[in-house]
Amino acid sequence: EIVMTQSPATLSVSPGERATLSCRASQSVSSNLAWYQQKPGQAPRLLIYGASTRATGIPARFSGSGSGTEFTLTISSLQSEDFAVYYCQQYNNWPLTFGQGTKLEIK
Amino acid sequence: QLQLQESGPGLVKPSETLSLTCTVSGGSISSSSYYWGWIRQPPGKGLEWIGSIYYSGSTYYNPSLKSRVTISVDTSKNQFSLKLSSVTAADTAVYYCARHRLGCSGGSCWFDPWGQGTLVTVSS
Repeated sequence: EIVMTQSPATLSVSPGERATLSCRASQSVSSNLAWYQQKPGQAPRLLIYGASTRATGIPARFSGSGSGTEFTLTISSLQSEDFAVYYCQQYNNWPLTFGQGTKLEIK
Repeated sequence: QLQLQESGPGLVKPSETLSLTCTVSGGSISSSSYYWGWIRQPPGKGLEWIGSIYYSGSTYYNPSLKSRVTISVDTSKNQFSLKLSSVTAADTAVYYCARHRLGCSGGSCWFDPWGQGTLVTVSS
């Protein structure tokens, strides 16, 4: 099983600033990585797939990068609606696995 | 627009079997391009993939749950279902159904869209 490790667990950032979230895989997942955003009481929403491709309707301030074992989700100029929990997920191998999440909170 | 909706009992007794159904609307579950999956999230915790099914009935299960999980599909009703046996309090979670595409280099792809989720509590 591929273990996905996200850091930090909690990230405090001021609105308008940039947030950088990290995800590391225990073995290479190539570019088979997705990022999701989850707000309280809601289902996760797909943000990024293929490590760097934005899903339909996702604002350009969200960007993903990386390949192999190291990945980054960057949110430039944070908006109030961006404060949420973010998960990465690998789909390179069964079983499909998620990171434990990074909570992005208002500083 | 494809939508998924989970349904089933919100309370299950320990040692019994949890049963949930996901109804797909706005598209066909018989599409050759997609798997249909179950994911769960214990309160305040992260996401765990449970398993997935193809319209033909082929299944993939998380090894950590495989001995207790059965996922089935009913193409005539555009539904797929989850059964989790011998439940304990550790199985208390929000259960989501979601679609994921075939064809990525690992065999399957990202989850999109997701159902709204349903909370199942295991308690006597």
